Amino acid sequence: GQQLNQSPQSMFIQEGEDVSMNCTSSSIFNTWLWYKQDPGEGPVLLIALYKAGELTSNGRLTAQFGITRKDSFLNISASIPSDVGIYFCAGQGGAHNDMRFGAGTRLTVKP
Amino acid sequence: NAGVTQTPKFQVLKTGQSMTLQCAQDMNHEYMSWYRQDPGMGLRLIHYSVGAGITDQGEVPNGYNVSRSTTEDFPLRLLSAAPSQTSVYFCASSRTGLSNQPQHFGDGTRLSIL
Repeated sequence: GQQLNQSPQSMFIQEGEDVSMNCTSSSIFNTWLWYKQDPGEGPVLLIALYKAGELTSNGRLTAQFGITRKDSFLNISASIPSDVGIYFCAGQGGAHNDMRFGAGTRLTVKP
Repeated sequence: NAGVTQTPKFQVLKTGQSMTLQCAQDMNHEYMSWYRQDPGMGLRLIHYSVGAGITDQGEVPNGYNVSRSTTEDFPLRLLSAAPSQTSVYFCASSRTGLSNQPQHFGDGTRLSIL
């Protein structure tokens, strides 16, 4: 099946720093999505990208859909303590248009 | 707004027991799906449905059954639980299965098989 490689696995940063994480795949996706998961809750959609090359922002978050359709990155600017959580990339496409997820990036923000 | 509701939130089973995990959505979404989340592996698709009466297998379907008799409900059945099925299960829905319709997740069911 399609595999997504998400990196880094974890990040420890100081409040106010910028964060960058990315996902790569050996397969092409029609849609790239970024989710955040807090403990004990389900993933919550942050940003959805629908076109190759698309750059989309949501507040302090910016994500891009790679030109090759095989990668995406997420940037968080000026991190704050509530940014703590696990961030997942997901690609949607294939024969059944199902979603495949990366293994997640665990973000810790130190005040 | 209820969104996607999963019950129960926690469950402990013995090996060989059967159980149904419930999922309901009140958004009139056609597409519903079940994922399992294991440490270090992200979420993996178990089964999905593009509408009432239609289901299909995902990436890891073995050991699980689903049915979709109504638009609102998409239960996941474990016929004979195994320790390997210990996981957190998430149900998700979207308006359609098209790639421009992001999925929305429930809060999960934490299942332990002893």
